[in-house]
Amino acid sequence: EVQLVESGGGLIQPGGSLRLSCAASGFTVNSNHMSWVRQAPGEGLVWVSVIFTSGGTFYADSVKGRFTISRDNSKNTLYLQMNSLRAEDTAVYYCAKTPGPFDYWGQGTLVTVSS
Amino acid sequence: EIVMKQSPATLSVSPGERATLSCRASQSVSNNLAWYQQKRGQAPRLLIYGASTRATGIPARFSGSGSGTEFTLTISSLQSEDFAVYYCQQYNHWPMTFGQGTKVEIK
Repeated sequence: EVQLVESGGGLIQPGGSLRLSCAASGFTVNSNHMSWVRQAPGEGLVWVSVIFTSGGTFYADSVKGRFTISRDNSKNTLYLQMNSLRAEDTAVYYCAKTPGPFDYWGQGTLVTVSS
Repeated sequence: EIVMKQSPATLSVSPGERATLSCRASQSVSNNLAWYQQKRGQAPRLLIYGASTRATGIPARFSGSGSGTEFTLTISSLQSEDFAVYYCQQYNHWPMTFGQGTKVEIK
């Protein structure tokens, strides 16, 4: 059974850093494209970043230069390193398996950027 | 970036009735279009991909159609568990983009 479990969210001050994790089971992270998608409170879904099976990465303009997506094949885990956080980064962050559409999602982890 | 527009923003429907949701892309996305259902406090769930293929375990009352720039999600007979927010998403071009959502509420 495919499962994705995010962790690492919390309350952080503007300008701070946070690393989100997404532990996968039932499939291999490095054999699939994997994405992070976020959802601000009361708002819609926004794609944030993808890591391809090749290891290449791509980012939304709003996070380029501040966020870094990576994976640890030995732990079958996806990460999102978030630096220079802003109030507008406040959202639930989901990891999602990305064969094209997002076919499996984690339950999400809430990141709140506030002083 | 491809802009996805959904209409209407809110759809009020009685249980048992048919619901038709629309999604329009600012340029062609071929048939690389997905629909998701999201209930309050839950992660989105994939309903339809390839514009018209139901994902695993999705009931036959959900159907998708369209190609290019115009797409439709139809729920043939709304059940109580179908009241939720629905998003379309294109995956033909990076960055992948979502519509703003259609809330299907009980009339």
